[in-house]
Amino acid sequence: GAGVSQSPSNKVTEKGKDVELRCDPISGHTALYWYRQRLGQGLEFLIYFQGNSAPDKSGLPSDRFSAERTGESVSTLTIQRTQQEDSAVYLCASSLGLALEQFFGPGTRLTVL
Amino acid sequence: GESVGLHLPTLSVQEGDNSIINCAYSNSASDYFIWYKQESGKGPQFIIDIRSNMDKRQGQRVTVLLNKTVKHLSLQIAATQPGDSAVYFCAESNTGNQFYFGTGTSLTVIP
Repeated sequence: GAGVSQSPSNKVTEKGKDVELRCDPISGHTALYWYRQRLGQGLEFLIYFQGNSAPDKSGLPSDRFSAERTGESVSTLTIQRTQQEDSAVYLCASSLGLALEQFFGPGTRLTVL
Repeated sequence: GESVGLHLPTLSVQEGDNSIINCAYSNSASDYFIWYKQESGKGPQFIIDIRSNMDKRQGQRVTVLLNKTVKHLSLQIAATQPGDSAVYFCAESNTGNQFYFGTGTSLTVIP
C-alpha cells in the first residue's frame, strides 16, 4: 500500500494557538518516529513509539509538545501555545521495528506568525 | 554527526563524475548507520545502511564506507546524475530506537 502520510501538508497559525499534526504510518509498522527539521538543518528527534511500550519522549523540547499513538496506527503530535521558534517541518517516519529502515512521510510545514 | 550550523555544506560535481559525501559521527558506541537522500519538499528517503561489524557496503551506484577508528562515514555515488541532486544526511544509532542526524550536505550535479 501507500507510504507514510501526514496531514496537513502546510499549517499556518498564530502565536499562542494550539496545533495538531497527524501521521498515518505504513500498515504493520510497529515503530513510529517524530522529527523536527528547521530550515537548512538536520533532523531533530522528538519522540518515538514502539508497539505497546512506553514512548521515548526524551527529544521533546518542552512540555508544550506531546504526542499520542493509537495502537500501531495513527499518531498525533500536539503543540500547545505555539511560538515562532516552533516554525519548522515536522516529519514522521515508521519502521517494521527498531534499528530498521525508517520510511518518512512528506512532512508538515508549520509556520507560526 | 556533522557539525550543526545554519548553512549546509555544499558539494558540486559534474554529471558523470563520482561524488563522495563525508560524515563524522561522535558516539563511538553507535552501531548502525544510515544514509538518507532528501529532495526539496520531500521527506528523507533511505539510500543505504551499514552496521558496525562491516567496513563497506555496496548498493546500486552507491557505496558506504565506515571507519570506526576515526568515527567517519562516507557515501560514494558513482557516475553522478542530475537526479542525484539533493541533501544527503547520515544518521547514527546505538540503541536502535533513537537516531541522530547530521546537518546534511547539499549535492548539486552540474549537467
